[in-house]
Amino acid sequence: EVLLVESGGTLIRPGGSLRLSCAASGFTFSGSDMTWVRRAPGGGLESVAYISGGGGTTYYAESVKGRFSISRDNAKNSVFLQMNSLRDQDTATYFCARRSGTSYAFDIWGQGTVVTVSS
Amino acid sequence: SSELTQDPAVSVALGQTVTITCQGDSLRLYYATWYQQKPGQAPVLVIYTKHNRPSGIPERFSGSSSGDRASLTITGALAEDEADYFCGSRDSDGSNWVFGGGTKLTVL
Repeated sequence: EVLLVESGGTLIRPGGSLRLSCAASGFTFSGSDMTWVRRAPGGGLESVAYISGGGGTTYYAESVKGRFSISRDNAKNSVFLQMNSLRDQDTATYFCARRSGTSYAFDIWGQGTVVTVSS
Repeated sequence: SSELTQDPAVSVALGQTVTITCQGDSLRLYYATWYQQKPGQAPVLVIYTKHNRPSGIPERFSGSSSGDRASLTITGALAEDEADYFCGSRDSDGSNWVFGGGTKLTVL
């Protein structure tokens, strides 16, 4: 079974740091580009960060550039999101998702992990 | 970065047909994808590369596009189709991905 499982979400104070993890199984992880997408309460989807299968290419939303960093460990079938200098506006459910081959679609999604930034 | 625009809310009578639209400059370069998200659940891919359905997505879901607009049509809407629908594409500069603001579909 193809599966993505996120972890690491919690309640954290503004200015703090947090690392989210996403464990993949059931497919060739190293051959798949991955992304972190978030949905804030009452908001829409936002692609926060993206990483190629080999890890050599990354993209970030303007709202998180310089604060968030995406990485992966293909030996452990995992992708990570390091979040620093967290702000109230970063409060959201964070999903990891797999890009479907060379299409522009994300076909497999995790169940999400909740990050709440509040004092 | 690019923006994708969707109507915030649409309603449809049970069994009728509804079209949800998405507009943005990036759609002139990249095909739209469509996702369905129900409360408390992860998004589900329903249409990719303009009009393709992943395995398991009912035939009542279809996609089309022209110019800077893309559409998702549900033919014969069911109560279970009530959800938020998001369009997505690659950013015009080929970097990150962008999503529309979402359309809340109510089935009456």
